[in-house]
This record gives sequence, structure tokens and C-alpha cells, in this order.
Amino acid sequence: DVQLVESGGGLVQPGASLRLTCAASGFTSIDHYMDWFRQAPGKGLEWLGRSRNKGERYSTEYAASVNGRVTISRGEYRNSLYLLMNNVKSEDTAVYFCAKDNGHWAFDIWGQGTLVTVSS
Amino acid sequence: IQLTQSPSFLSASVGDTVTVTCRASQAVNNYLGWYQKKPGRAPELLIYAASTLQSGVPSRFSGSGFGTEFTLTISSLQPGDSATYYCQHLKGYPITFGQGTRLEIK
Repeated sequence: DVQLVESGGGLVQPGASLRLTCAASGFTSIDHYMDWFRQAPGKGLEWLGRSRNKGERYSTEYAASVNGRVTISRGEYRNSLYLLMNNVKSEDTAVYFCAKDNGHWAFDIWGQGTLVTVSS
Repeated sequence: IQLTQSPSFLSASVGDTVTVTCRASQAVNNYLGWYQKKPGRAPELLIYAASTLQSGVPSRFSGSGFGTEFTLTISSLQPGDSATYYCQHLKGYPITFGQGTRLEIK
């Protein structure tokens, strides 16, 4: 089965760092553009950033709202995608999703999401 | 590029046909997708490239449009269609979503 599974969420203190993992199975994630998204409670979907494929050297793009605090990277031998966020704030409380770009300007495979709660 | 969906809320009955509109602040060619989002679940891709039905999605779902105006049409509404629907563009960065349209099945 083709699937993505996020992990690493939980309770995080303001100002701390968090690292989320997106484990892919059933396909080779390094061949695809992969992205991170989030949905804050009661809010809509928000794009955070992307990692292009291996052929494009995993180059990245980030949303302005998190640029400078977020780094997206790959675990090539673990078929995984990572999100590192520094200096987390209460407004970073959300369910975080990873997704695979289908090559046609949309995202066809999504993880189930991992909840991050920023609170002291 | 901002995407504006209308309406924000829709209430319809089983068997009805409904249409959701997504307007882009700049032309996005056909680089637009539609998603269904239910609470506690991952978004599900319904339509990509504005009008192409994602594999496994019922043909009751259809999309159209190009440039700045797009529509998602759901025919023969079923109870399981109750969800929030989002449009999303991928013409450059940042990738953005519409604010969502919540569909209630009476």
C-alpha cells in the first residue's frame, strides 16, 4: 500500500524546537516532490513548504509565515521526509500533514497527520 | 495568489446537486486541485488539473474552469459527502488554499 505516516507530534513548550517525521511506504519518496502542511484548530489548510525530488537536489521552498524557522529535509535511505521547526509559538498548534505531489499540481497521498500542541 | 471560495457554507439534501466556486486573484492556468476534508482525517484529492477526476473518486464529483474561475460540482449528494471542500493552486509559491466550503447534508 502507498502511504505516508507522520510522527513526532505532541506537547511542546514555547520557544522549543520540534522535529516531525513523515515515513513513506509503497513508493520511493525521493523521486517525488514532497510537502508539509498544517491545519490549526478551526482553521483551513496551510502550506508550509516543499522539498523537490532527488533530481533537483531536494531544493526547498517555504511559506513566508514560517520562513527562517522551518527546515525541510530528506532521509534518503529511510524513505522519509522531515520538518524541523525552531522557536515554536502557540500559533504553531496544529495538525501537521505531509503529502506527495502527483506531478500535476496537486497532492494525491497524504499522511493521517500528527498533532502538535504548543503550550507551557 | 489568493483563492476565494463561495459559498462558505452549503446545506443540501441527499440527491441534490451542488456547486462550489473558487476564484483566483491571478490566473493559475489549470494548476488547481480540489480536496475533501473530514474532521480527524487527511485531505482527500478529488480533482486535479482543474478537471481531471482522481482515481477512485466517484464520477459524481466533477471540476471545471481555467485561469481565474473554477467550479467543483457534486451531483447525487450522499450523506458521506458531508465535509469541508478546499481548492488549492500550484502556480508558483506560496501554494495556497481557499478558505473552505462546509457542506452539510440535511
